Amino acid sequence: KAGVTQTPRYLIKTRGQQVTLSCSPISGHRSVSWYQQTPGQGLQFLFEYFSETQRNKGNFPGRFSGRQFSNSRSEMNVSTLELGDSALYLCASSLNQLGTGYGYTFGSGTRLTVV
Amino acid sequence: DQQVKQNSPSLSVQEGRISILNCDYTNSMFDYFLWYKKYPAEGPTFLISISSIKDKNEDGRFTVFLNKSAKHLSLHIVPSQPGDSAVYFCAASTSGYGNKLVFGAGTILRVKS
Repeated sequence: KAGVTQTPRYLIKTRGQQVTLSCSPISGHRSVSWYQQTPGQGLQFLFEYFSETQRNKGNFPGRFSGRQFSNSRSEMNVSTLELGDSALYLCASSLNQLGTGYGYTFGSGTRLTVV
Repeated sequence: DQQVKQNSPSLSVQEGRISILNCDYTNSMFDYFLWYKKYPAEGPTFLISISSIKDKNEDGRFTVFLNKSAKHLSLHIVPSQPGDSAVYFCAASTSGYGNKLVFGAGTILRVKS
């Protein structure tokens, strides 16, 4: 079966611009989460959507937002980009509803570079 | 406040020997722990997990041990193979609070042949 698909794979944006990243989960998965990975920082949780509702949110500024559509596909948006937003953005989907994190499947990520 | 810590940024092991990766956590609410493996330019891949009601879980060459009193878990890989060379992330979650994983900073494992 198809895995988690993230588009685009690579993106270069200018400081001050805004960007939208897309994530298509595994068919049947209703939970989609987003993470930011920067060197030496591990993966930082951004937010989780389940059945079109934001269920969890991490400690990121309001410039980071997301949404989920009825087909479970999700987008995240970053407005007024800063140099520090350069990172690998990862999306993960899960069938599990119990919140154990078990069975998370990650996409390959979108590498965002802000210049 | 870093709730999940992997204090060893890197580890080098000879092929065929045991690799032991360590992870400490501070939040007593965590009740599920997972290990992920990541290659460059790819997303993390799930390896093995353990519930807080257990102290050990095995899957082939991979074993995870959990010491709740010490808030410590470890991943053992036996025997280590060159293909195991990757970044290993420890993660924790609290069931009932949605799918939010808290990750450590990762440990780079190099298996030398």
